[in-house]
Amino acid sequence: DQQVKQNSPSLSVQEGRISILNCDYTNSMFDYFLWYKKYPAEGPTFLISISSIKDKNEDGRFTVFLNKSAKHLSLHIVPSQPGDSAVYFCAASEGGSEKLVFGKGTKLTVNP
Amino acid sequence: EPEVTQTPSHQVTQMGQEVILRCVPISNHLYFYWYRQILGQKVEFLVSFYNNEISEKSEIFDDQFSVERPDGSNFTLKIRSTKLEDSAMYFCASTPVGRRTDTQYFGPGTRLTVL
Repeated sequence: DQQVKQNSPSLSVQEGRISILNCDYTNSMFDYFLWYKKYPAEGPTFLISISSIKDKNEDGRFTVFLNKSAKHLSLHIVPSQPGDSAVYFCAASEGGSEKLVFGKGTKLTVNP
Repeated sequence: EPEVTQTPSHQVTQMGQEVILRCVPISNHLYFYWYRQILGQKVEFLVSFYNNEISEKSEIFDDQFSVERPDGSNFTLKIRSTKLEDSAMYFCASTPVGRRTDTQYFGPGTRLTVL
């Protein structure tokens, strides 16, 4: 049951450059999407979210883009910093349900 | 900043034994959740809880699992007879009101190892 897919298990980027993390989903009922960041030995930490009525949401260095027709979202981090090195999870939810459906995560490494 | 706490950080148990995982949600939060992550796999929803009742559960959350809010601060997950496949990281989460768009705040997790 892979309703939320993150096809890149890892990504390596130079400090100061853009990090782009991708996520695809198959459930057309999903209408709310989130990105969480996770450091080792910690729980997931909320980063940014987007509702399906929007195609872009920005918060500081983080921007999430949503392409509903392609069932695709992406997280852009500009500029990337070494402290951004973590596992990034894409998650989604649908109306009438409280649960978050997560992808498997992408491990981002930002090299100094 | 308030945070969700979980104890223990690591629990080792024998197959067939009962375990109780404990969580202290953020104090003014009303909705509580348990998720788990088997090593190398995705984070999976188990159950949500509001007003002393389960509000939603997944197919994973079978009769071996139960949740309870025994007092005003703790939220527990009990596994009655553990199986090898229950070995996972278990995360507790909470939200202030429970609107679907509310941020779910996660605890650091309990690593459960079933031998």
